[in-house]
Amino acid sequence: DADVTQTPRNRITKTGKRIMLECSQTKGHDRMYWYRQDPGLGLRLIYYSFDVKDINKGEISDGYSVSRQAQAKFSLSLESAIPNQTALYFCATSEPDRNQETQYFGPGTRLLVL
Amino acid sequence: DQQVKQNSPSLSVQEGRISILNCDYTNSMFDYFLWYKKYPAEGPTFLISISSIKDKNEDGRFTVFLNKSAKHLSLHIVPSQPGDSAVYFCAASPYTTSGTYKYIFGTGTRLKVLA
Repeated sequence: DADVTQTPRNRITKTGKRIMLECSQTKGHDRMYWYRQDPGLGLRLIYYSFDVKDINKGEISDGYSVSRQAQAKFSLSLESAIPNQTALYFCATSEPDRNQETQYFGPGTRLLVL
Repeated sequence: DQQVKQNSPSLSVQEGRISILNCDYTNSMFDYFLWYKKYPAEGPTFLISISSIKDKNEDGRFTVFLNKSAKHLSLHIVPSQPGDSAVYFCAASPYTTSGTYKYIFGTGTRLKVLA
């Protein structure tokens, strides 16, 4: 079984709809992240959480909100979806280890906003 | 303004030859660097890392070189294999006293290894 899972894997929605993307992990990591990938722009950080009580905005948080329901679950919500939120969304987890930190990514959710 | 740049969107290499993927950065506070590999329909997977106290790190066929004065790192794959065909992302982060890392990713380079 995958260590980091994302649901749904694909989603088509209409402008103005509220949608939620979910992420679960079995790695036992405290730190979780949401990124989006757009063609030609790489991965950009939306929100991150270092534990259940900690939520932080990333580079591009406008139009998004998150919820850390448990150590293993981190959800991303689009309150009112717009077409330029069409992208590939990745969840990631990490655990710092001395002087390094590697992030482990889920398989991604492909979102299309019409 | 992109702080981490991968100026080559694609690269084709013959099987058995060396693949060299390049990454440039602008922030001199970046302290830790990683390379990720991404196959279609999968999330990125960690490949190799290097901290700013080193200028080289090897792991099997993969070697990462860091030139801090030039703010440049490169990933060498020798010998290249068809299974190495993927998109490669470099990522960089400054280190903070709280021990947190916030990575900035490059735009990726698509490597195609020809059999």
